[in-house]
Amino acid sequence: GQNIDQPTEMTATEGAIVQINCTYQTSGFNGLFWYQQHAGEAPTFLSYNVLDGLEEKGRFSSFLSRSKGYSYLLLKELQMKDSASYLCAVRIGGYNKLIFGAGTRLAVHP
Amino acid sequence: DVKVTQSSRYLVKRTGEKVFLECVQDMDHENMFWYRQDPGLGLRLIYFSYDVKMKEKGDIPEGYSVSREKKERFSLILESASTNQTSMYLCASSPPVANYGYTFGSGTRLTVV
Repeated sequence: GQNIDQPTEMTATEGAIVQINCTYQTSGFNGLFWYQQHAGEAPTFLSYNVLDGLEEKGRFSSFLSRSKGYSYLLLKELQMKDSASYLCAVRIGGYNKLIFGAGTRLAVHP
Repeated sequence: DVKVTQSSRYLVKRTGEKVFLECVQDMDHENMFWYRQDPGLGLRLIYFSYDVKMKEKGDIPEGYSVSREKKERFSLILESASTNQTSMYLCASSPPVANYGYTFGSGTRLTVV
């Protein structure tokens, strides 16, 4: 079966750093994605990892270890607008098919 | 700006009705997907299509069917709506392989009463 685990909820303080973890056990792997989803809105793409290591994009970074089935999303200099759900997704098989974790709801407090 | 458009933002239907959810994309993408999103369960794949008239079952196809008669349009059909199909439905599209994953529509919140 396919399993993607991430924490349900996290809280953090404005200006701080937060790390959201994702572990996966899937039949096949062809890339890992992170999406941000604000309440009532569609998910929007944040990052993509297919090789081991760190990908940095502004305040957001994502890390992948394929051997450990593990990824994290690092958010720096947190802002109130970063309060959202963060979805971890793994691409498996062909046709660009993604399977998603349940999402991590992040609340940023002043 | 590229778009995936879902025809309705909110829908309320009665148990037993046949329900059509429409999705249109203007990016000439080959792949189109239907997910439902429920609290605590995340996005679960219902069906997807990789070409006109081609479809594949996802993880939870029971009670649903799909139609793709034209490349830009992918319809999700609830044959006989039930209350456990109350959910947020998200459509997405992509080229065959994309390092950004999908472009999502804004979603349709369906309530079955």
